[in-house]
Formats: sequence, C-alpha cells, structure tokens
Amino acid sequence: AQSVTQLGSHVSVSEGALVLLRCNYSSSVPPYLFWYVQYPNQGLQLLLKYTTGATLVKGINGFEAEFKKSETSFHLTKPSAHMSDAAEYFCAVSDKGTGGFKTIFGAGTRLFVKA
Amino acid sequence: DSGVTQTPKHLITATGQRVTLRCSPRSGDLSVYWYQQSLDQGLQFLIQYYNGEERAKGNILERFSAQQFPDLHSELNLSSLELGDSALYFCASSAGTSGGNYNEQFFGPGTRLTVL
Repeated sequence: AQSVTQLGSHVSVSEGALVLLRCNYSSSVPPYLFWYVQYPNQGLQLLLKYTTGATLVKGINGFEAEFKKSETSFHLTKPSAHMSDAAEYFCAVSDKGTGGFKTIFGAGTRLFVKA
Repeated sequence: DSGVTQTPKHLITATGQRVTLRCSPRSGDLSVYWYQQSLDQGLQFLIQYYNGEERAKGNILERFSAQQFPDLHSELNLSSLELGDSALYFCASSAGTSGGNYNEQFFGPGTRLTVL
C-alpha cells in the first residue's frame, strides 16, 4: 500500500533563506510523485511532478524536487524564500493498485516566511 | 483559475440532512476526483470517476455517494450528515486519457460544508 510522510507539520524560514520541505513515500510499484501548494481559502495547485525520466524536477515559482529512489524521498526545495511562498504544501504519490490509480496526499507542511 | 468550478461555495446545514455538491471539470477533462479536507483527517481521497464510470475508491463513507453525468459534471451526495462531516470538499479533474490519475489534477476552489 502506498503512503506519504511529510516531516514537519510546520516549517519556518527567513525571507531569502533556503526552503526544504521533506517528503518520503512508500509504494510497491514505480510511483508518480507530486507537490501541490494551497494558499489560504483556495484549492490545491500543482507545483511540480515526477513521472519518469530526469529525477530533478523543476516547477513553478522557483521550486524544484529530486526523486531519490534509494531513499524513497521527494524533497521540495527553493533556494531563496519569498513572503509569497507562505502556504501549505502537500506531497502526493500516485500509483496503480487493484482499484485503479489512487493518489495519496501527505498531511501537509505549513510554510511560514519571516521578514 | 483552474477551470474547475464547484457550487455552492459554502453550505450550512443540520445533522441528519442530505446535501449535494456539484463540480464541473475543466473543458475536455474526463476524470473527476473528490476529496475531503478537515483539520483532523487532512486531505482524504474519496472517489474518482472517469467518463461516467467509477474508477477508484478511497475513504468514502457509505453515507456518501457520487456520480458523473454524460456532460461530465459530477455530484457528491452526502446524507445523514454528522457534525464530523464538516469539512472542505474539493473536486479535481484531469485529462486522464487512460483513466489513470498520474496526470496533473486541477483543483476547484472547494465547498465548505458546515454541519450544525
């Protein structure tokens, strides 16, 4: 069965500092991995996704993530945080099980950016 | 704007009642997904429909049901409502040409359900 673990329900960084949001997954088959962002009172928006190919994936707003199969990780990074990055971030894994494709979301990490 | 629309935006009702949430997917998307987001349970996948047929099922209660119509809009029906059903309900859609949801999912703005 697939699962997603996001380490840290809250992460606080200073503006201009590195953002690192951690995600580990488990899946019995090659997974598809996603990061979504949710701003207050809005739906989720896709930041980036890994399906196949290059393991370093670049997304919108300067974010990127690296798929590391040996570590079963898909951590999200951004070199320099902006105030506008304050939001909740969800890691998700999708794979094909007996009931078809299912996407499982992590519990989310709320990112705070300090001026 | 994701192109996915959900109505109503807010819904307040009483325990024991039944409500229907509506979702219109992006133009051309065949797959519709429903999710429930609450503070204690996080974001939970409920159910997926692809071109009118149920394709995948998650943590959906028996009191909840969904369907996707020929015009591809979807409805989520919640009955015998309990206080714990209060949550944000999101609909998402994807192209999903093979029914697989590895495609990018586009989320609607959600319906906030409050059960009193």
